[in-house]
Amino acid sequence: EVQLVDSGGGLVQPGGSLKLSCAASGFTFSGATMHWVRQAPGKGLEWLGRIRNKVHSYATAYTASVKGRFTISRDDSKDMAFLEMNSLKTEDTAVYYCTRESPITIFGVVLDPWGQGTLVTVSS
Amino acid sequence: QSVLTQPPSVSAAPGQKVTISCSGSSSNIGDNHVSWYQQLPGTAPNLLIYDSNKRASGIPARFSGSKSGTSATLSITGLRTGDEADYYCGTWDSSLSGGHVFGGGTKLTVL
Repeated sequence: EVQLVDSGGGLVQPGGSLKLSCAASGFTFSGATMHWVRQAPGKGLEWLGRIRNKVHSYATAYTASVKGRFTISRDDSKDMAFLEMNSLKTEDTAVYYCTRESPITIFGVVLDPWGQGTLVTVSS
Repeated sequence: QSVLTQPPSVSAAPGQKVTISCSGSSSNIGDNHVSWYQQLPGTAPNLLIYDSNKRASGIPARFSGSKSGTSATLSITGLRTGDEADYYCGTWDSSLSGGHVFGGGTKLTVL
């Protein structure tokens, strides 16, 4: 079964840092492009960024609101992806999901499956 | 403010049909296929439709998708109370800023 498990969320003070983890199983992780998406309480989905595979030089891309503060990385030897978040703001409070770019199509970016999400609360 | 525009809510009676629209621009929907995701209360999003009109594995034929120009539509027939959820469209944006974009989500209520 293809599965992603998110972890590492918690309560952090404004200006603080946190590193989220995403453990993958059931597929060849090293070949996959991994994405992170968040959802603020009662709000919609917001794409944060992605990291490509070794063939594509582990290239990363980020949405403007987190560029320079958030860093996506991966450890192919452990089948894990990470989201390191610095200079956290109250508006970063959200459930954070990792998700795989599915190989089901060559015609676009399809996100499947998704982790269960991990809640990050930024508050003093 | 989301890049893709969806109606905040739709509703219909059990057994009826509902459509959810998703409007974008030439750099996203106009240039790329669309996916649709279902998010049941308290759970992670789940892929429903990809390549604008293909059903993901295990998704019943009651769910269908289409795309025309810079808009896409999700249709659900034979509505069931279990279909009550938030639905999101998503696609890649080919503009200079790029990235994946989502609609703001549509809450489906089955009356």
